[in-house]
Amino acid sequence: DAGITQSPRYKITETGRQVTLMCHQTWSHSYMFWYRQDLGHGLRLIYYSAAADITDKGEVPDGYVVSRSKTENFPLTLESATRSQTSVYFCASTPATPGNTIYFGEGSWLTVV
Amino acid sequence: QKEVEQNSGPLSVPEGAIASLNCTYSDRGSQSFFWYRQYSGKSPELIMFIYSNGDKEDGRFTAQLNKASQYVSLLIRDSQPSDSATYLCAVNRAYGQNFVFGPGTRLSVLP
Repeated sequence: DAGITQSPRYKITETGRQVTLMCHQTWSHSYMFWYRQDLGHGLRLIYYSAAADITDKGEVPDGYVVSRSKTENFPLTLESATRSQTSVYFCASTPATPGNTIYFGEGSWLTVV
Repeated sequence: QKEVEQNSGPLSVPEGAIASLNCTYSDRGSQSFFWYRQYSGKSPELIMFIYSNGDKEDGRFTAQLNKASQYVSLLIRDSQPSDSATYLCAVNRAYGQNFVFGPGTRLSVLP
């Protein structure tokens, strides 16, 4: 049972470069999420998706782009990375059934230099 | 006012004691409440969920919910050093699948 897998797990990139973080889930969950976690801010929602081809902004969407052409994949792209985007990024998913919990991937550690 | 609030800690308790973690939320329409544990460098993992007012027990863990007071807590009995982690409270709103997380409380269980 693979669950949610994120790649890369660790990435160092330069300011201004485009970076894509991949997320793949094997449960066929309808909902998928991208969070970033920073000291002092906790988990903040970047984008979420209720189904394939349906995405919506979360609390901190600026500088990020998402797509969801297939139910199982939800990539997050930083179009032009900035140092403030240095963070840990967690992908998560949950079924559409109300009351279900949210399941997290292992995280992607991104450093922008 | 933040939607979900927790004391940031650190909360230090001796081994074998009861650790009490608290969480308040602002959305009265919230339906589902979750406690996650997060070890340093790891992703959050679910400990417990609770939907109804009252207590819910699972092993050494007890979740307590009071919707009138908009308050949810987690009690850890017989605390162990391995319980040392950050505990995140999460609330799912009544509409959609919109989880809101608190900032977390760092727990340290001293041997």
